Amino acid sequence: KAGVTQTPRYLIKTRGQQVTLSCSPISGHRSVSWYQQTPGQGLQFLFEYFSETQRNKGNFPGRFSGRQFSNSRSEMNVSTLELGDSALYLCASSRTIDRGASSAGNTIYFGEGSWLTVV
Amino acid sequence: QKEVEQNSGPLSVPEGAIASLNCTYSDRGSQSFFWYRQYSGKSPELIMFIYSNGDKEDGRFTAQLNKASQYVSLLIRDSQPSDSATYLCAVSPSNYQLIWGAGTKLIIKP
Repeated sequence: KAGVTQTPRYLIKTRGQQVTLSCSPISGHRSVSWYQQTPGQGLQFLFEYFSETQRNKGNFPGRFSGRQFSNSRSEMNVSTLELGDSALYLCASSRTIDRGASSAGNTIYFGEGSWLTVV
Repeated sequence: QKEVEQNSGPLSVPEGAIASLNCTYSDRGSQSFFWYRQYSGKSPELIMFIYSNGDKEDGRFTAQLNKASQYVSLLIRDSQPSDSATYLCAVSPSNYQLIWGAGTKLIIKP
């Protein structure tokens, strides 16, 4: 069973440009979450999608956006890149994240991440 | 605000000893609890999840959950240098979103 696939793995952009990152979840997983992680920092939640709907959004500016397609694949976009956007962007998938449920279905699995460097 | 707290460490443990990692959470309605391991420069990987009070064992790893006291811990028996990593605790509260701790850096000394 294939894991979560993220592309591209590494990229370098200049300030002011925009970037689109792609994520293919594990087959059968309908929930996709995105995280930002900077060196020495914890996981910062960006947003979560389920069945093409954004269910949760973290505290990031509007320059960060995402979407999910009918096949559960997801993309995130960062516009007007800033130096501080340099980070590891992680995508994670799960069957679902149920409200208040005790369920293995809530378990999320991460892709290898996309390393973004803004110069 | 829902929070998950972990000691950032580093926690230094001799090889072969038991490493004990702790995590407390604020949302009493939380139902699912997860431990992930993250090596430097890599993505987090699932170690185990737990959702019932008590202990859950998987090989050298044991997760302990105490909902009354709102803490979850991870014990690593017979610690190996390859266990050196950052360990992340995640909690699933009632709004579809996982809440993450900042992680504890564990160093196993040969």
